[in-house]
Amino acid sequence: NAGVTQTPKFRVLKTGQSMTLLCAQDMNHEYMYWYRQDPGMGLRLIHYSVGEGTTAKGEVPDGYNVSRLKKQNFLLGLESAAPSQTSVYFCASSYGLAETSSYNEQFFGPGTRLTVL
Amino acid sequence: QKEVEQDPGPLSVPEGAIVSLNCTYSNSAFQYFMWYRQYSRKGPELLMYTYSSGNKEDGRFTAQVDKSSKYISLFIRDSQPSDSATYLCAMIAYSGAGSYQLTFGKGTKLSVIP
Repeated sequence: NAGVTQTPKFRVLKTGQSMTLLCAQDMNHEYMYWYRQDPGMGLRLIHYSVGEGTTAKGEVPDGYNVSRLKKQNFLLGLESAAPSQTSVYFCASSYGLAETSSYNEQFFGPGTRLTVL
Repeated sequence: QKEVEQDPGPLSVPEGAIVSLNCTYSNSAFQYFMWYRQYSRKGPELLMYTYSSGNKEDGRFTAQVDKSSKYISLFIRDSQPSDSATYLCAMIAYSGAGSYQLTFGKGTKLSVIP
């Protein structure tokens, strides 16, 4: 099993350009998440999905869009990149979230390092 | 006040030392507690989880939860250079209508010096 994979691993964009980050998981997880990680800010949730065809906003959704057309894939789009979106982006997946359950474990991908000039 | 507070460090200790990493929280609805370890330039990975007050051991690692004080800790015994990483706490609360809220701490960077 590959677990959670992310493409690309690195990307440099100019301000105003668009791009899509792809996340794929082969663990049949229902829940998928996109985070960004910045120095001193920790992990911040951008958007998440609780199943195929669903998406929801997280803590910092502005400037990003997502789609979950297939259960195994979760796409993160930047329509018009800004320097403030320079960050490391992590995708994660889990069976779900529950009050007391090992289903809560999130499996993370290796990250995408994005620089916006 | 942030819902989850975690000292970012950095924390530097000699090999073999006992390490104590801590998080405090303000939301009493948090019921499920996790510790993730993140090596440099890698994604976080789950280290331990617990959902009750008290201690839980796994090898050299002990997770401790004190719900009355809203305080969780991760202890690492006989620390090794391979333990050098950033440690993130994470907590889950039931936010109503069948949904749950997951919140991460900002992480503490640990270096174990040989």
